[in-house]
Amino acid sequence: EIVLTQSPATLSLSPGERATLSCRASQSVSSYLAWYQQKPGQAPRLLVYDASNRATDIPARFSGSGSGTDFTLTISSLEPEDFAVYYCQQRSNWPLTFGGGTKVEIK
Amino acid sequence: EVQLLESGGGLVQPGGSLRLSCAASGFTFNNYAMSWVRQAPGKGLEWVSAIGGSGGRIYYADSVKGRFTISRDNSKNTLYLQMNSLRAEDTAVYYCANATGAYFNYWGQGTLVTVSS
Repeated sequence: EIVLTQSPATLSLSPGERATLSCRASQSVSSYLAWYQQKPGQAPRLLVYDASNRATDIPARFSGSGSGTDFTLTISSLEPEDFAVYYCQQRSNWPLTFGGGTKVEIK
Repeated sequence: EVQLLESGGGLVQPGGSLRLSCAASGFTFNNYAMSWVRQAPGKGLEWVSAIGGSGGRIYYADSVKGRFTISRDNSKNTLYLQMNSLRAEDTAVYYCANATGAYFNYWGQGTLVTVSS
């Protein structure tokens, strides 16, 4: 099973700041990695797939990068609605796995 | 508009069984793989099971293999999860999700399963 490790666990930032979230895989997943956003009481929402492709209707301030074992989700300038928990997920191998999440909170 | 509506959650005793359903609309159901993903209270996401569009390819997480069975009825646009031998650690919100390339594009609102005596 591929283990995804996300860091940091919590990121405390102010609106307008840049957020950089990391996801590291225990073995190469090529570019088969996605990012999701989840707000309290809501289902997750797909943000990025195949490491760097934004999903439909996702704002351009969200960008993904990386390949192999190291991936980054960048939010260029945080909007109030971006404070949430973010998860990465790999589809390279079964079973599908998620990272433990990074909470982006208001500083 | 894509809609996924889960039902069937509730309180069940350890060792008991429950069947979840997910009614889908707004897309051609049999063209898409579907998955169940769960989230224990205050915890992260855990993929549970997946089934191909025709029902021919099925996968399970090790944590549920042999206890849970995923199925679908394409004539009813409905996904199912039969859960047997339930344990306390199966307590979670269960989401059904539409999958494209094993990424989850659309999610239902979730149904809560509580396993407790």
